[in-house]
Amino acid sequence: EAQVTQNPRYLITVTGKKLTVTCSQNMNHEYMSWYRQDPGLGLRQIYYSMNVEVTDKGDVPEGYKVSRKEKRNFPLILESPSPNQTSLYFCASKWGQGGVNSPLHFGNGTRLTVT
Amino acid sequence: GENVEQHPSTLSVQEGDSAVIKCTYSDSASNYFPWYKQELGKRPQLIIDIRSNVGEKKDQRIAVTLNKTAKHFSLHITETQPEDSAVYFCAAPRGDMRFGAGTRLTVKP
Repeated sequence: EAQVTQNPRYLITVTGKKLTVTCSQNMNHEYMSWYRQDPGLGLRQIYYSMNVEVTDKGDVPEGYKVSRKEKRNFPLILESPSPNQTSLYFCASKWGQGGVNSPLHFGNGTRLTVT
Repeated sequence: GENVEQHPSTLSVQEGDSAVIKCTYSDSASNYFPWYKQELGKRPQLIIDIRSNVGEKKDQRIAVTLNKTAKHFSLHITETQPEDSAVYFCAAPRGDMRFGAGTRLTVKP
């Protein structure tokens, strides 16, 4: 089954403790992206990647890191989480590199709470 | 990225009425316009999209219209049902994918 898989689905952690949210897709998509969703603020893009070893900042990259060493994986890293990073996170992927538009496929989301 | 403005932010209709959500964009080179629906507690999912070579696309009770001259596109839902209650997002990407702020649609039975 074609899908985007995020793990974990729920995560509660403490301020300053490094964490990684994994994202994997099995559709051979070039483009992958991370979003955070807060009440009343819609989907805000954190980072995106047009292809392997190519990553770019979105609208809210501060406090996050990403890497794209393999086509299928795009982990989101919080080196020192803070309470303002408590949010619902979505990973997504789509076919095509820059300039080629196609539907975005979302993972099921990761609800992160930082205390 | 692309600046996309979406209106209204909330919309409440009676079951059976129509609902219209509008998005405007700034980049005249945009050529693909998707709409996503996000039900409570779930991931966004594509419900309809349109490319710039057509002005309208319809799928049962859902339609999207595009006005490239005015740089806006709209989602139309006819004969609304309670299960249409959700948050709807538009986008006007060029490679990158950023979204409008979302519209919370409530369909009252």
